[in-house]
Amino acid sequence: EVQLVESGGGLVQPGGSLRLSCAASGFTFSSYWMSWVRQAPGKGLEWVANIKQDGSEKYYVDSVKGRFTISRDNAKNSLYLQMNSLRAEDTAVYYCARGPGGSWYVLYWGQGALVTVSS
Amino acid sequence: EIVLTQSPGTLSLSPGERATLSCRASQSVTSSYLAWYQQKPGQAPRLLIYGASSRATGIPDRFSGSGSGTDFTLTISRLEPEDFAVYYCQQYGSSFTFGPGTKVDIK
Repeated sequence: EVQLVESGGGLVQPGGSLRLSCAASGFTFSSYWMSWVRQAPGKGLEWVANIKQDGSEKYYVDSVKGRFTISRDNAKNSLYLQMNSLRAEDTAVYYCARGPGGSWYVLYWGQGALVTVSS
Repeated sequence: EIVLTQSPGTLSLSPGERATLSCRASQSVTSSYLAWYQQKPGQAPRLLIYGASSRATGIPDRFSGSGSGTDFTLTISRLEPEDFAVYYCQQYGSSFTFGPGTKVDIK
């Protein structure tokens, strides 16, 4: 059974940093692109970033470029999102996500990690 | 960037009725790379439809997707109590964008 479990969320002040982790199990982690998708409270979904199987390609939504870094450790079956210079508008539930392989819709979602940026 | 518009914003229907949800793209969606998700309060989204019309594993056949180019539709043939939720479309042909969602609530 595919499982994606996020951790690392919490309350952080504007301008601060936070690192999210996603522990993957139930599939060969190193074989799949992985993504982060977020959802602000009461709002819709927004793709944030994704990363190729070997980490050689990374893509970001414009609003987080230069502030967020996606990375992975295939030996630990883990995905990460380093978030710096956080803003109030980054407040959201962050989902770890995986597609089917060979396409880009989301087949599996984690339960989400809440990040709140507030003073 | 492809912008997706969903209509209506809210759809108020009774169990047993037919629901028709629209997703319109600002540009043609490559190869009908369009997916639909269902989300209930406090839960992660669930994939319903991919490739505009292919049902995901385990999705009841009362859910169907259609469309191409810039106009796509999700149809729920007969609403069950568990279908009242928010529905999002997503295009994945050119980067990745989601629509703002349609809430289907009980009339």
